[in-house]
Amino acid sequence: NAGVMQNPRHLVRRRGQEARLRCSPMKGHSHVYWYRQLPEEGLKFMVYLQKENIIDESGMPKERFSAEFPKEGPSILRIQQVVRGDSAAYFCASSPTEHHGGLEMYFGPGTRLTVT
Amino acid sequence: GDSVTQMEGPVTLSEEAFLTINCTYTATGYPSLFWYVQYPGEGLQLLLKATKADDKGSNKGFEATYRKETTSFHLEKGSVQVSDSAVYFCALSIQGAQKLVFGQGTRLTINP
Repeated sequence: NAGVMQNPRHLVRRRGQEARLRCSPMKGHSHVYWYRQLPEEGLKFMVYLQKENIIDESGMPKERFSAEFPKEGPSILRIQQVVRGDSAAYFCASSPTEHHGGLEMYFGPGTRLTVT
Repeated sequence: GDSVTQMEGPVTLSEEAFLTINCTYTATGYPSLFWYVQYPGEGLQLLLKATKADDKGSNKGFEATYRKETTSFHLEKGSVQVSDSAVYFCALSIQGAQKLVFGQGTRLTINP
């Protein structure tokens, strides 16, 4: 069973460009989460999605950031008009439909975004 | 709000030393508690978890006990190895909240 897959692993964008980060959850998982890790900090929750629905986007910046999880294909985190402060590692996680013994997430390897 | 506070790092130990990484939490409900480990250049891996008071999670020689009275979930290992060098994150989830709240992480380096 393949783990959570993210691509690209590294992404370099110039200020003002768009960044698209992709996440394929583990097989059988229909819950996807995006987290951001700034240098030397812990992970901060951004958004929680189920297929075709955004359930909780309380951690998403109000502007320039959007996320989707379509019926077919990977989840996408999109950052428009990137700024230097967007430079971070973005991690995707997934969890199974049913939870046992507490919420257990499986994380991907992350996409490291550098804005120049 | 819900939060997790971890022991300040970095922590440097010699091989076979005893390890403790402190973690305390603040939560409005009854959280589940987790330790995740992040090896260089990789994503987070679940190390262990506990879902109710007095539960002990254990894995790969690491242990942590859910202490409700002290709101703590300290990570311990009796004899560390060089391969344990990584960043360790304490985290909690509240029933029904569907997200994890992380501490800031503790970087551990083990010297041979």
